[in-house]
Amino acid sequence: SAVISQKPSRDICQRGTSLTIQCQVDSQVTMMFWYRQQPGQSLTLIATANQGSEATYESGFVIDKFPISRPNLTFSTLTVSNMSPEDSSIYLCSVGQGLSGYTFGSGTRLTVV
Amino acid sequence: AQKVTQAQTEISVVEKEDVTLDCVYETRDTTYYLFWYKQPPSGELVFLIRRNSFDEQNEISGRYSWNFQKSTSSFNFTITASQVVDSAVYFCALSEGGTGANSKLTFGKGITLSVRP
Repeated sequence: SAVISQKPSRDICQRGTSLTIQCQVDSQVTMMFWYRQQPGQSLTLIATANQGSEATYESGFVIDKFPISRPNLTFSTLTVSNMSPEDSSIYLCSVGQGLSGYTFGSGTRLTVV
Repeated sequence: AQKVTQAQTEISVVEKEDVTLDCVYETRDTTYYLFWYKQPPSGELVFLIRRNSFDEQNEISGRYSWNFQKSTSSFNFTITASQVVDSAVYFCALSEGGTGANSKLTFGKGITLSVRP
């Protein structure tokens, strides 16, 4: 199954700043998914990123707050913009692997102070 | 809209007990996929199983078994002879349509399992 390298693994950021999270996959994939896991909560999909097209955002998430890039079939970035303490979460990227389910990156633990 | 309900929030058992984690789902699609993931304290998500809507056979993998019943829209997970290393949060998830690899996952709220020595 695919291996995803996600960076950074954790960060502490000042409110009002932005953080860009990177995911690199060791094989070409059509779709990449970005999820948020708030403290003690389940995972919620932020957006789906297809190479060569605009990302599709879920209700409650907007491009200005969470811009996504997908420049090729192995790489994607998610930026958390103008951060507030409410953005403190774990952010995960994911790719589908057929019978092996969906593979997730190791996550980025973000704390906004 | 798709929905996954994990009514149990926390379960605590003593080592070697059997434990069943419940999952109930809602979907209007006839083609869908069900998943279980384990999230240990370290935080990574570990894939356990994928089941498509056309395959109702139960599955056993070592101490783990899954019971899929379309009639009750349930996909329950049983751990036999639990061990301390089974302590984790377990998520049930659903994806609709597609191939089970290109659709979003909808997760349940998760069940925190604590296995005491």
